[in-house]
Amino acid sequence: DIQLTQSPSFLSASVGDRVTITCRASQGISSYLAWYQQKPGKAPKLLIYAASTLQSGVPSRFSGSGSGTEFTLTISSLQPEDFATYYCQQLNSYLLTFGGGTKVEIK
Amino acid sequence: EVQLVQSGAEVKKPGESLKISCKGSGYSFTSYWIGWVRQMPGKGLEWMGIIYPGDSDTRYSPSFQGQVTISADKSISTAYLQWSSLKASDTAMYYCAKPMVRGVGHAFDIWGQGTMVTVSS
Repeated sequence: DIQLTQSPSFLSASVGDRVTITCRASQGISSYLAWYQQKPGKAPKLLIYAASTLQSGVPSRFSGSGSGTEFTLTISSLQPEDFATYYCQQLNSYLLTFGGGTKVEIK
Repeated sequence: EVQLVQSGAEVKKPGESLKISCKGSGYSFTSYWIGWVRQMPGKGLEWMGIIYPGDSDTRYSPSFQGQVTISADKSISTAYLQWSSLKASDTAMYYCAKPMVRGVGHAFDIWGQGTMVTVSS
């Protein structure tokens, strides 16, 4: 299986901060990576697909980059509604896997 | 509107069987894979497996192979996740999800609302 390691697992930040979350794959997955946001009691919401393509309707302060084994999700200016848990997911095979998640909390 | 609607919350005893459902609408149900995801209380997302309703081709994550059965009835546009003998450790929220594009390798843009399964004696 392809393992995904997200870091950090938890971060505390203030409104307006720039936030970066990293996702490392145990083997190369080209650009077969997506990022999701999940708020308590809700289903995950797709933010980024194909590593760097912004899903329709997602604010432009979200961006993704990377290919191969290292990927990042950046929020350029954290907003109150962005406090949530973020997951990466690799889509390189039928055995899809998620990263462990990064919880973004208010400082 | 494309949507996935899941069956309601369940409370079961250990050893009981269960089948939960995920009904697709607003798109060609037989042309898109449907995946299942587990989220245990306070924990992260875990990929369970995926089914192609067109021909019932099913792939399981090794962690869930033999523990659950994924199936689909294309005549009623519904996918299922079932257990033959539940354990307390099956207590979790279960989500179904549909990829944005036909075929494998694509992100999941449509999610069901989730089905909470509680297993307790």
